[in-house]
Amino acid sequence: QSVLTQPPSASGTPGQRVTISCSGSSSNIGSNYVYWYQQLPGTAPKLLISRNNQRPSGVPDRFSGSKSGTSASLAISGLRSEDEADYHCAAWDDSLSVWVFGGGTKLTAL
Amino acid sequence: EVQLVESGGGFVQPGGSLRLSCAASGFTFSDYWMHWVRQAPGKGLAWVSLINNDGSHTRHADSVKGRFTISRDNAKNTLYLQMNSLRAEDTAVYYCVRDPPHCSGGSCHSNGFDPWGQGTLVTVSS
Repeated sequence: QSVLTQPPSASGTPGQRVTISCSGSSSNIGSNYVYWYQQLPGTAPKLLISRNNQRPSGVPDRFSGSKSGTSASLAISGLRSEDEADYHCAAWDDSLSVWVFGGGTKLTAL
Repeated sequence: EVQLVESGGGFVQPGGSLRLSCAASGFTFSDYWMHWVRQAPGKGLAWVSLINNDGSHTRHADSVKGRFTISRDNAKNTLYLQMNSLRAEDTAVYYCVRDPPHCSGGSCHSNGFDPWGQGTLVTVSS
């Protein structure tokens, strides 16, 4: 059971806008930054969004992150087939004093 | 090019031990906090351990506390994870990750785990 809650799957058609949610609590998302990682099939994860909404160099601006209260969201606009991947959210938890992850969301481009 | 290369994974019986290594290159290793993150087959990511840049501060997930020890050798640009008393539930791909800081206004926060190594598979089974 993951501390952060994500839907196990999400889907959209090419060109569509898709959002993935990540729900936590006051001790993690509510008081700390949220990070998003993209894991393409058979590969290691890659940092996609840093500190709630910052895109590292090289990440397309189709990807955006937001946070409100104890929840965060990753939005992908203009969905492409190459966006099919697992997406993981993460945050530091002040109560547990550990990094916590969501269970991951598998995104499918229909 | 910034690179992290893990090694040391393999097949081990329950109760056994393994030591994972992560060779870092392309950056000043001693400037960064480092972590181990694992992923069980078909499951999500799970944070395992962290170590600060000079090795004086470490932290482990409750699931591995007392069994796993993270360490580093800055002279060799290498991160380690000593895993003892291994259990079937420790079966996973183990990733070494760098934790660059973002500092502003006198305080620093993680800028996200970047990059990740390719991972090394640990299988615990009888």
